[in-house]
Amino acid sequence: ETVLTQSPATLSLSPGERATLSCRASQSVDTYLAWYQHKPGQAPRLLIYEASKRATGIPARFSGSGSGTDFTLTISSLEPEDFAVYYCQQRNTWPITFGQGTRLEIK
Amino acid sequence: EVQLVESGGGLVQPGRSLRLSCAASGFILDDYAMHWVRQTPGKGLEWVSGITWNSGTVGYADSVKGRFTISRDNTKNSLYLQMNSLRPEDTALYYCAKDMRSFGDSFNYWGQGTPVTVSS
Repeated sequence: ETVLTQSPATLSLSPGERATLSCRASQSVDTYLAWYQHKPGQAPRLLIYEASKRATGIPARFSGSGSGTDFTLTISSLEPEDFAVYYCQQRNTWPITFGQGTRLEIK
Repeated sequence: EVQLVESGGGLVQPGRSLRLSCAASGFILDDYAMHWVRQTPGKGLEWVSGITWNSGTVGYADSVKGRFTISRDNTKNSLYLQMNSLRPEDTALYYCAKDMRSFGDSFNYWGQGTPVTVSS
């Protein structure tokens, strides 16, 4: 099983600041990594797939990078609606796995 | 418009069974893999099971292997999860999720979830 480790667990920032979230895989997942945003009471939303491709309707302030074992989700300038929990997910090998999440909170 | 509506959740005693359903609309179910993902109270997301477009490949998390069975009926636009020998740690909100492709990729649409509580 591929274990995904996200860091930091919690990130406290202010609107307008830049957010950098990390995801590290226990073995290579090539570029088969996705990022999701999850808010309380809502369904998770796909942001990025295949490490760097923005999903339909996702604003350009969200970007993804990386390959192999190290990945980054960057939010260039935080909007109030961006504060949520973010998960990475790999689909390179089954079982599909998620990271434990990074909580992005308002400072 | 793509819609996924889960049903079948509820309160069940340990050791008993439950069957979840997911009704899909707004797309051709045959073309896509489908998945179940759960969120346990206070914790993160956990992939539970997935099934390719033609049921040729199914997969399970180690935590449910041998107890849960995923299936689909493309003629009824439906996905199912048969959950047997339920344990308290299976208590979670269960989401149905549509894959981007037929064989297993990212999940571009999700339902609102159906809650399962396993308790005596």
